[in-house]
Amino acid sequence: EAQVTQNPRYLITVTGKKLTVTCSQNMNHEYMSWYRQDPGLGLRQIYYSMNVEVTDKGDVPEGYKVSRKEKRNFPLILESPSPNQTSLYFCASSRTGQEPQHFGDGTRLSIL
Amino acid sequence: RKEVEQDPGPFNVPEGATVAFNCTYSNSASQSFFWYRQDCRKEPKLLMSVYSSGNEDGRFTAQLNRASQYISLLIRDSKLSDSATYLCVVDFYKLSFGAGTTVTVRA
Repeated sequence: EAQVTQNPRYLITVTGKKLTVTCSQNMNHEYMSWYRQDPGLGLRQIYYSMNVEVTDKGDVPEGYKVSRKEKRNFPLILESPSPNQTSLYFCASSRTGQEPQHFGDGTRLSIL
Repeated sequence: RKEVEQDPGPFNVPEGATVAFNCTYSNSASQSFFWYRQDCRKEPKLLMSVYSSGNEDGRFTAQLNRASQYISLLIRDSKLSDSATYLCVVDFYKLSFGAGTTVTVRA
């Protein structure tokens, strides 16, 4: 089954404690992306990757890092999480950046 | 100005009604347009692509007006299961998402 898998689905943690949200896709997609969704603001892109070892900042990259060492994986790293990063996060992938994206189930992060 | 703007609603309609709403975009060079559906903080799912000539998928009709830079979605014969937030998505060099229009269909 074609899917984008994010882990964890839910996480409550404290300020400053490094965390990683994993994302994996099994569709051999070149393009992967991370979004955060906040009430009234819609989906905002954090980082995206056009292919292996190619990553670029989206609209709200501050406080986040990503890596794309393999085609299927695109982890999101919060080196020093802060409360303003409390949000619902989605990973997505597509064959190219202009095609409809498949989304993971989402990760709800709460930073206390 | 936001790249993609939508009326947040909510549009509260009875079952069987027709509901329509628009989405405006700022970049005239945008090439691809989509409507996604999102249920209560779940992941967005592609509802339909929007083609230049307009297109239908069952009870859903999408239109593109390049001159005025907006796309529209019309839902006929609304069902309770159509209650969701509808996200407008526009591509220039990357996909930009609107904040969504909430539709609630009541019995």
